[in-house]
Amino acid sequence: AQSVTQLDSHVSVSEGTPVLLRCNYSSSYSPSLFWYVQHPNKGLQLLLKYTSAATLVKGINGFEAEFKKSETSFHLTKPSAHMSDAAEYFCVVGFYNTDKLIFGTGTRLQVFP
Amino acid sequence: EPEVTQTPSHQVTQMGQEVILRCVPISNHLYFYWYRQILGQKVEFLVSFYNNEISEKSEIFDDQFSVERPDGSNFTLKIRSTKLEDSAMYFCASSPRPAIIRNEKLFFGSGTQLSVL
Repeated sequence: AQSVTQLDSHVSVSEGTPVLLRCNYSSSYSPSLFWYVQHPNKGLQLLLKYTSAATLVKGINGFEAEFKKSETSFHLTKPSAHMSDAAEYFCVVGFYNTDKLIFGTGTRLQVFP
Repeated sequence: EPEVTQTPSHQVTQMGQEVILRCVPISNHLYFYWYRQILGQKVEFLVSFYNNEISEKSEIFDDQFSVERPDGSNFTLKIRSTKLEDSAMYFCASSPRPAIIRNEKLFFGSGTQLSVL
């Protein structure tokens, strides 16, 4: 069965410290992988997507994600959190035989001064 | 960057009433989608739409739901007789190519919060 799991519903960090948001997927095939972010009262914005050109993907606002096929993971990282990073982050998976994207449950990132 | 716009941002309706949620996709996009998120639950796929036809729909998208592109710019989701469990945030999305293409990016609107009383 195809699924995606975000391991943390909430993550709290101090400004300037690293961020790690975890995502694992389950699929028989190589999926499409995305991270979307949702700020309050805003739409879902694409942070980055895995394109198979490289396992380390760089996105907007200093975020990166590393695709690890052996671990079926696509964790999102940022070296130094900023207050403006506080938002809900969704790991999203697409599969070759469907239009349907499957969303993780989301991780709410809080950044403290 | 171009945006998908959704109106209204909040909609309150009585159970059994019909509601229409409106979306204006990005102008050169050809593929359109509705997703919803019930409070505390995952964002779920409802339907995809292309060339004035439903391409794919989920088991949630039953006969109470319909979609339409009434003119060249709007994309609507109609719920004929709303139920309490239809209360959710509804997201519209669009893309230039179908989501089934590997790594195709969807552009999402900011959502319409539907409350059924």
